[in-house]
Amino acid sequence: GDSVTQMEGPVTLSEEACLTINCTYTATGYPSLFWYVQYPGEGLQLLLKATKADDKGSNKGFEATYRKETTSFHLEKGSVQVSDSAVYFCALSDQIQGAQKLVFGQGTRLTINP
Amino acid sequence: NAGVTQTPKFRVLKTGQSMTLLCAQDMNHEYMYWYRQDPGMGLRLIHYSVGEGTTAKGEVPDGYNVSRLKKQNFLLGLESAAPSQTSVYFCASSTAPRGRSAEAFFGQGTRLTVV
Repeated sequence: GDSVTQMEGPVTLSEEACLTINCTYTATGYPSLFWYVQYPGEGLQLLLKATKADDKGSNKGFEATYRKETTSFHLEKGSVQVSDSAVYFCALSDQIQGAQKLVFGQGTRLTINP
Repeated sequence: NAGVTQTPKFRVLKTGQSMTLLCAQDMNHEYMYWYRQDPGMGLRLIHYSVGEGTTAKGEVPDGYNVSRLKKQNFLLGLESAAPSQTSVYFCASSTAPRGRSAEAFFGQGTRLTVV
């Protein structure tokens, strides 16, 4: 079945450092790809998404490009802030009986130190 | 904006007890989902619903039942709780996917411990 593999955590960086969280996927079809973020004590929020090959999703300084040839959707940010500390989930969408099923990676905990 | 609201936020159960988790959304979404989140495993789909009065099994449905009597509510029931059901439960809702994807909105989660 479909699956998502993302970079093992936890990841700890200093403020203003560059961030990359790797994400690769396997899918039988042509999924849409997502990054969700979970701040402490909260539910998941959509950070960005891409629906077709070579699309770039971006939000809050984060970017990710849908690479069909390498089946990847790596999350990047040029300069992280303390407020970016959270757990990040890569996910793909799969259609099941007309409904959208999200398949999640295991999550990567990011801590940014001042 | 309320969005997706889950109750309760925390609960401790003894093995064999039953309980119901309530999810309510005020966005008039057709689709609703229950996920569980376990360390190192991401989120896994338990059950989902594509409309009022309909439910279907997800990836890990055993030990759970659901009902969607009203469009805005999606209930998750544990008839006889087991320690393996200790987890954080998330409800989500979305519009019907148009084309390739629809954003899912998540509740804040329910942390359930079964002792």
